[in-house]
Amino acid sequence: EAQVTQNPRYLITVTGKKLTVTCSQNMNHEYMSWYRQDPGLGLRQIYYSMNVEVTDKGDVPEGYKVSRKEKRNFPLILESPSPNQTSLYFCASSLYGGQGNEKLFFGSGTQLSVL
Amino acid sequence: GESVGLHLPTLSVQEGDNSIINCAYSNSASDYFIWYKQESGKGPQFIIDIRSNMDKRQGQRVTVLLNKTVKHLSLQIAATQPGDSAVYFCAENIGRGSYIPTFGRGTSLIVHP
Repeated sequence: EAQVTQNPRYLITVTGKKLTVTCSQNMNHEYMSWYRQDPGLGLRQIYYSMNVEVTDKGDVPEGYKVSRKEKRNFPLILESPSPNQTSLYFCASSLYGGQGNEKLFFGSGTQLSVL
Repeated sequence: GESVGLHLPTLSVQEGDNSIINCAYSNSASDYFIWYKQESGKGPQFIIDIRSNMDKRQGQRVTVLLNKTVKHLSLQIAATQPGDSAVYFCAENIGRGSYIPTFGRGTSLIVHP
C-alpha cells in the first residue's frame, strides 16, 4: 500500500531533550516535507526536500533540523525542544515537488507535547 | 504577506444537501490550488486540484471553481453524506523550482443525519 509513515504517533518529552520523528514513504517520491499544525493557524511548512541531500527551509524552520540521506526517509530533529514546539506534525511527499503542481500525500501525524 | 483564507470556519448542513466551502487567496501569482480533507485523527487527504488556466473542475461528487478575477476558490460537495464531515483546507502554490504551498486555516464541515 502506498503510504507515508510517521513514528511515533504520540510523543511526550521534556524541554531540552533531543528527539527525532521519523518519516518514510514507499512511493519513490522525490519531494518530502514537514508541517506543523496548530489551532487557528493551519498547516505551516517547516522544511522541505526536493531530493536526496537537498533540503531547504519552509516558513517556520527555527528550532528544527532535517536530513535526507535516502530518498525514502526524511526525519525531523528537534535538538532542544521547547514548549512552543508542542504541536501536531505531519510529514508529506509528492512525486516531483519542483513542478509546484502536485498533490501531497500526508502521514497520519505525530502529536508532540513538550513539558 | 500573501495568504490563503477561508470565509467560514464552520459549516453545518443536512445529509443530502449540497455544501459549498469557500476560500479566498490574495496572491495573484498562484497557479495551482488544491483542496484537502482532514478527518479527525488523520492527516490531510487530497480531494481535487485545479490549475490557474481552468475555472472549473469536477470529480466524484465534488466540484472546484476558481474565479481569478476576485481571487476566490470554492469546493462544492453534492449530496453531502455523514462521511463528508471533516475539516477542509484549500492550498495554493506559486512558482517553479520550489514547493512551499500555503494552506488556509480550514473549514469544519458538519453533516447532520
